[in-house]
Amino acid sequence: SAVISQKPSRDICQRGTSLTIQCQVDSQVTMMFWYRQQPGQSLTLIATANQGSEATYESGFVIDKFPISRPNLTFSTLTVSNMSPEDSSIYLCSVEVSDEQYFGPGTRLTVT
Amino acid sequence: DAKTTQPTSMDCAEGRAANLPCNHSTISGNEYVYWYRQIHSQGPQYIIHGLKNNETNEMASLIITEDRKSSTLILPHATLRDTAVYYCIVRVPLMNYGGSQGNLIFGKGTKLSVKP
Repeated sequence: SAVISQKPSRDICQRGTSLTIQCQVDSQVTMMFWYRQQPGQSLTLIATANQGSEATYESGFVIDKFPISRPNLTFSTLTVSNMSPEDSSIYLCSVEVSDEQYFGPGTRLTVT
Repeated sequence: DAKTTQPTSMDCAEGRAANLPCNHSTISGNEYVYWYRQIHSQGPQYIIHGLKNNETNEMASLIITEDRKSSTLILPHATLRDTAVYYCIVRVPLMNYGGSQGNLIFGKGTKLSVKP
């Protein structure tokens, strides 16, 4: 199994600013995933982050808007840049261990 | 797009079995069936997964039809705490394939309401 923590758990930000979300895992994992869940919607994959390489972004998501860092096998950050109210969502990180995918508690972002 | 079809919502009486169906008629031979649930305001929680044999763990049972085109998640004795959105997902585990082909693609799921 894997225990995942995220910081901050929630934040309220002004439009035009940026927020960096941290994800910490209690074990070393090769791949980490970042998801977004907009209000009332299901989860959408933003990108996959491998340690030591560039993140792979899904259609509709770009590195300039959602830069990701993956400095080691237990940590990753996702930055939401130049925020607008449409970025208000829950952002979740996730890892896969032994065929099971585990999710963090999420970061609830509100952009005003 | 999600490869599965689930009812939008279901109700279940507390203490009774909750049977959540899922159709995945286009499932490939190397894809597994996974079930997750998301309790309000929390991250999704893994429940169970299987390839073709029925599976059981401490949380639930997974029944997969012989043609693998549908499955049913069974919560044997539903409690109020089982009220959540349940997602049925088909995918190839990362260990078997690697890369984006193993990513979880979430549909809208089934909102299960367990009532006293």
